Amino acid sequence: AQSVTQLDSQVPVFEEAPVELRCNYSSSVSVYLFWYVQYPNQGLQLLLKYLSGSTLVKGINGFEAEFNKSQTSFHLRKPSVHISDTAEYFCAVSGALGGKLIFGQGTELSVKP
Amino acid sequence: ETGVTQTPRHLVMGMTNKKSLKCEQHLGHNAMYWYKQSAKKPLELMFVYNFKEQTENNSVPSRFSPECPNSSHLFLHLHTLQPEDSALYLCASSQALGGSNQPQHFGDGTRLSIL
Repeated sequence: AQSVTQLDSQVPVFEEAPVELRCNYSSSVSVYLFWYVQYPNQGLQLLLKYLSGSTLVKGINGFEAEFNKSQTSFHLRKPSVHISDTAEYFCAVSGALGGKLIFGQGTELSVKP
Repeated sequence: ETGVTQTPRHLVMGMTNKKSLKCEQHLGHNAMYWYKQSAKKPLELMFVYNFKEQTENNSVPSRFSPECPNSSHLFLHLHTLQPEDSALYLCASSQALGGSNQPQHFGDGTRLSIL
């Protein structure tokens, strides 16, 4: 079975500053990893995914994430955030041999002017 | 624009009412999901359907009754709900179960309030 831990429930940051949202997972098998974003009053939207290959994955809206197998982490980064990035971000994992998608508890990113 | 459409977007109902939530996907997917999202809690997977067959029921109370008449439509029938059932109910779809590398696509949810 897999599990996901998002280490920060809230991350406040000023506009144009860099941000990192942390995600750690546990699994006894190879995994696929995802980051989703949820804007207010909307559903979840896929930001990026890691399936295999390069450990640095680029997604939409200037976000990227790095898969680190030794540290079982998949942290999300953006070099310069905008007010419009204010949203909740969810890390998710599924086992490469099948199984359901397991979500973390979410991190609320608040970008201040 | 989302390929998964949920209606209604908001619903207020009394504990004795019966109502249904509807989800429709236009992505050609074969797996559909119901999630419950409560404030300050992780997403809770409720039901999973694959090719119209229910493959998972995560110990959901019987006052929630899902229906999947075809791969494009998913319903959640509600009756005799409790105040703690107030939440955002999200529908999602993916190509099929077993393909765990396939991302799920979400609708915008139905915000349910139980009086």
